[in-house]
Amino acid sequence: QVQLQQWGAGLLKPSETLSLTCAVYGGSFSGYYWSWIRQPPGEGLEWIGEINHSGSTNYNPSLKSRVTISIDTSKNQFSLRLSSVTAADTAVYYCASRTTVTTPTDYWGQGTLVTVSS
Amino acid sequence: EIVLTQSPGTLSLSPGERATLSCRASQSVSSSYLAWYQQKPGQAPRLLIYDASSRATGIPDRFSGSGSGTDFTLTISRLEPEDFAVYYCQQYGSSPPVTFGGGTKVEIK
Repeated sequence: QVQLQQWGAGLLKPSETLSLTCAVYGGSFSGYYWSWIRQPPGEGLEWIGEINHSGSTNYNPSLKSRVTISIDTSKNQFSLRLSSVTAADTAVYYCASRTTVTTPTDYWGQGTLVTVSS
Repeated sequence: EIVLTQSPGTLSLSPGERATLSCRASQSVSSSYLAWYQQKPGQAPRLLIYDASSRATGIPDRFSGSGSGTDFTLTISRLEPEDFAVYYCQQYGSSPPVTFGGGTKVEIK
């Protein structure tokens, strides 16, 4: 059973860089794709991107120019950086996982509310 | 990018009634790689259905999924009080990006 625990700064100013980290407990760290998904308040879900244990990444084209997802296999952690944030980036950010690129998202972190405000 | 459109936006029903939720894709979803999630306030989404019609572990059999190509349906045969929530569909066969529908809220009438 995979468990995901995430943390990071919850309040940012416009133009700053969002940084979140997710720790993975249980399961096989090398056997999954590790994702970030966000949800603006009162709105739907948006997939940001994912990384596998080899460091291969896929990003949402709409965010690709500002997103970096990285992995630290020695700590069983993966991270999200989103640069040049604006108020439109205010959302609950979830770390999540899926087994392969043709399976659904099955494990989710608890979510972190990130607010961008001057 | 595959765009998923869910309807209706809100479904007002009473406990015990049947709920039928629709998810329509802008192009055919590869190999029926379509999932349904339930989300309650303050919680992460929970996987209900994957591959269009397979129930995830621990999901009651009152939840069922059907469809293929561009049209998919989630049916809740008899609504229980804990089923009132927001439901999202997700396609994961053509990525990046994985995409989600806008959601259907099932509320108590």
